[in-house]
Amino acid sequence: GAVVSQHPSWVICKSGTSVKIECRSLDFQATTMFWYRQFPKQSLMLMATSNEGSKATYEQGVEKDKFLINHASLTLSTLTVTSAHPEDSSFYICSALADRGHNYGYTFGSGTRLTVV
Amino acid sequence: AQKVTQAQTEISVVEKEDVTLDCVYETRDTTYYLFWYKQPPSGELVFLIRRNSFDEQNEISGRYSWNFQKSTSSFNFTITASQVVDSAVYFCALSEYNFNKFYFGSGTKLNVKP
Repeated sequence: GAVVSQHPSWVICKSGTSVKIECRSLDFQATTMFWYRQFPKQSLMLMATSNEGSKATYEQGVEKDKFLINHASLTLSTLTVTSAHPEDSSFYICSALADRGHNYGYTFGSGTRLTVV
Repeated sequence: AQKVTQAQTEISVVEKEDVTLDCVYETRDTTYYLFWYKQPPSGELVFLIRRNSFDEQNEISGRYSWNFQKSTSSFNFTITASQVVDSAVYFCALSEYNFNKFYFGSGTKLNVKP
C-alpha cells in the first residue's frame, strides 16, 4: 500500500519549452504532496509543498512562476517546469503524505530525470 | 532549527564486511520521526525504516540494524555482511511530528566491492 507513481521517469526537452511531471497516489488520498529537486551527488532539496485545492507553498529561492504546481485532486499533483533552460536539468522527485501502511509518513515517487538541451 | 548531518560522504568496503552509516540530527521538537532511505543508481528512494522519537528500541531487519540514541541525537544504520547490491546512496531524514517538513541529510554513498 501507499504507492506513489511519478511520470515520466525521464524526459529530454528543448530549451524554452515546458515540461509537466505528474505525481499520483495510487491507493490512498494525499492532501499534501511535496516536490524535491536533486542535483547530481547532492541531497534532496524541498522545492514546494502542494496542498489539494489551494496554492502551493514554495521554499525560499524557488521561483513559483518557473515551477508551476497544481494539486487539483486528492490523488494528483503536477509540476510544470516552464520555459525550461539547461540549468533546470535535474532529478525531480515527489512524495505524498500517506496515513496508512507501515511507512507512515512520506512515500516517494520514482523520480523524473529532466534534461534540457 | 532542524538539521540532519551525515558526516560520511562516501564509504567503500569489501563484500561481507560490516559497515555503519552515521546520522546525527538536531531538533527542538520533542516528537519527531527519523527515517532511512536507500537511493540506488536508478534514482528512486527506497524506504528502509521509520522511528518515532519515543521509541528508542534498536531494530534489526535481516542484515540491517539501526541504533537510535536520543542522548547523542544519533540514528546510525549498520549493514552486516554487506553485499554488492547494497551499493547505493543512503539518506537519513528527520520529520516534524506533523510531517509538515522533512529534512534530509546530505547522504552517504556506499560502495561495496566484490
